[in-house]
Amino acid sequence: DIQMTQSPSTLAASVGDRVTITCRASQSISNWLAWYQQRPGQAPKLLIYKASTLESGVPSRFSGSGSGTEFTLTISSLQPDDFATYYCQQYNSYSLTFGPGTTVDIK
Amino acid sequence: QVQLVQSGGGVVQPGRSLRLSCEASGFTFSSYTMHWVRQAPGKGLEWLTNILYDGTIQYYAASVKGRFTNSRDNSKNTLFLQMNSLRAEDTAVYYCARDRTGTGGGMDVWGQGTTVTVSS
Repeated sequence: DIQMTQSPSTLAASVGDRVTITCRASQSISNWLAWYQQRPGQAPKLLIYKASTLESGVPSRFSGSGSGTEFTLTISSLQPDDFATYYCQQYNSYSLTFGPGTTVDIK
Repeated sequence: QVQLVQSGGGVVQPGRSLRLSCEASGFTFSSYTMHWVRQAPGKGLEWLTNILYDGTIQYYAASVKGRFTNSRDNSKNTLFLQMNSLRAEDTAVYYCARDRTGTGGGMDVWGQGTTVTVSS
């Protein structure tokens, strides 16, 4: 199975900050990567698919990049709604896997 | 509107069975691959299984293969997860999700989640 790692596991930031989260795959997954946001008590929400394509309705402050084994999710200017946990997920293989998550806390 | 409504969770003893349901509305259910994902208390997301649009092929994570069965009834727009031989470590919130089949991937519609607690 393809293993996914994320860094950092948690980060503290302020409203207006630029935030970057890194996701790495144990083998090349081309650009078959999605990013999700999950707030406490809620279902995950798709933010980005195919590594860099913004899902409809998602604010443009979110962006994704990367290919192969290294990917990033960037929030250009953190907003109060963005304090949440973010997961990457690969769908290159028949067995899908999620990263362990990155929690964005208020500094 | 496009939505997935889940039912069937609850408290069950170890070794027993439970079936979860996920009813789709607002879209052509029979055109989409569907997934089940779970989240143990305080933990991250774990993909469990998916099923192709026509129900002919399913894939499973190693943690549930041989114990869980993913199925669908396209005439009733409903997805099922049959869970047998349940263990304490299966305690989690279970989500169904729609795959962006043929349009780039990712899971774009999620159910509200249903809680399964395995305890004696």
